[in-house]
Amino acid sequence: ETGVTQSPTHLIKTRGQQVTLRCSSQSGHNTVSWYQQALGQGPQFIFQYYREEENGRGNFPPRFSGLQFPNYSSELNVNALELDDSALYLCASSLRGARKTEAFFGQGTRLTVV
Amino acid sequence: AQSVTQPDIHITVSEGASLELRCNYSYGATPYLFWYVQSPGQGLQLLLKYFSGDTLVQGIKGFEAEFKRSQSSFNLRKPSVHWSDAAEYFCAVGRTNFGNEKLTFGTGTRLTIIP
Repeated sequence: ETGVTQSPTHLIKTRGQQVTLRCSSQSGHNTVSWYQQALGQGPQFIFQYYREEENGRGNFPPRFSGLQFPNYSSELNVNALELDDSALYLCASSLRGARKTEAFFGQGTRLTVV
Repeated sequence: AQSVTQPDIHITVSEGASLELRCNYSYGATPYLFWYVQSPGQGLQLLLKYFSGDTLVQGIKGFEAEFKRSQSSFNLRKPSVHWSDAAEYFCAVGRTNFGNEKLTFGTGTRLTIIP
């Protein structure tokens, strides 16, 4: 079991609503990445935060946004939810400057949009 | 842009038999390569990683993988599978400058173990 914790574990939202997912990173890690894993697919990189700033984004629209806090924890916000946003959202923490080490994943948040 | 192909969507293996899961990547430079395992409803656990050096990499749970640059492959192997190995397996590639960050994953291979 990793030291990366995500909350909540499950939630159900209605189309058009907004949602916030949370991630506490592994102790000593300073970088958080978010991934979306649709059913039956591999995880897709959403974006990454380092030093409280977005540091790279995958092919996701601006309604996906995030924050990183001074303690390196992070939030993923999704506005105007669509049915296709239903997925498992994973966060991964890593240590910038130690790239040849493991990135640890949390257990994920299962989001269902109805 | 980098990409990963896992050509086998689903593989069924008898307990005690050997296993090989295929992974092909596309990346212009030397990649960082990873294999992750995911049990139902769970996050990802790293099995092994390749950054440089010896092309045969040993991981946890008795898994190993071999990096073959000429074939752009990083296949995962295990000599004798156990029922607990049933899970989804993902191959991933990281770019040279980013290592374990901003990974690109394949679509996964679901492994079923039969008694």
